[in-house]
Amino acid sequence: DQQVKQNSPSLSVQEGRISILNCDYTNSMFDYFLWYKKYPAEGPTFLISISSIKDKNEDGRFTVFLNKSAKHLSLHIVPSQPGDSAVYFCAASAWGAQKLVFGQGTRLTINP
Amino acid sequence: EPEVTQTPSHQVTQMGQEVILRCVPISNHLYFYWYRQILGQKVEFLVSFYNNEISEKSEIFDDQFSVERPDGSNFTLKIRSTKLEDSAMYFCASSDQGAGFTEAFFGQGTRLTVV
Repeated sequence: DQQVKQNSPSLSVQEGRISILNCDYTNSMFDYFLWYKKYPAEGPTFLISISSIKDKNEDGRFTVFLNKSAKHLSLHIVPSQPGDSAVYFCAASAWGAQKLVFGQGTRLTINP
Repeated sequence: EPEVTQTPSHQVTQMGQEVILRCVPISNHLYFYWYRQILGQKVEFLVSFYNNEISEKSEIFDDQFSVERPDGSNFTLKIRSTKLEDSAMYFCASSDQGAGFTEAFFGQGTRLTVV
């Protein structure tokens, strides 16, 4: 059941450049989307979210874009820093649902 | 900063034994969750709990699993008779509103190893 897909298992970006992580979903009932960051042996840490009534949400270096017609969202990190190296999970939820559906994750490596 | 705490950090158990994983959610949160991540796979939803009852559960959450909020602060996941395939990281999470409205905060996880 691949309702949320992150097709890139890994991404390598130079420090200071933009990192773009992508996520696709298939369930049209999803209307709330989140990005989590995860370090090894730790739990997911919330980064940023967006509801379906918006197409962009920004928080400091992090911006999430939502394209509802394409069922696609992306996370932009500018500028990328070494501490951003982690696994990034996209997650989605439908209105009234009591669960998050996660993608497989993308391992981001920021090179000095 | 408030956080979700989980104990133990690592539990090793023999197949067929019962295990209880413990969590202390953020104190003013009302919604509680368990997720798990088998090594190399995605984070999967197990169960959500609100108002002292299960509000949603996945196919994984069969009769071998149960959850309880025995007092005002703890939230537990019990696996009655563990199987090898239950080996995973188990994450507890909590939120102040339902999953479709706000972010959930996750604990650091309990690594369960069934041998």
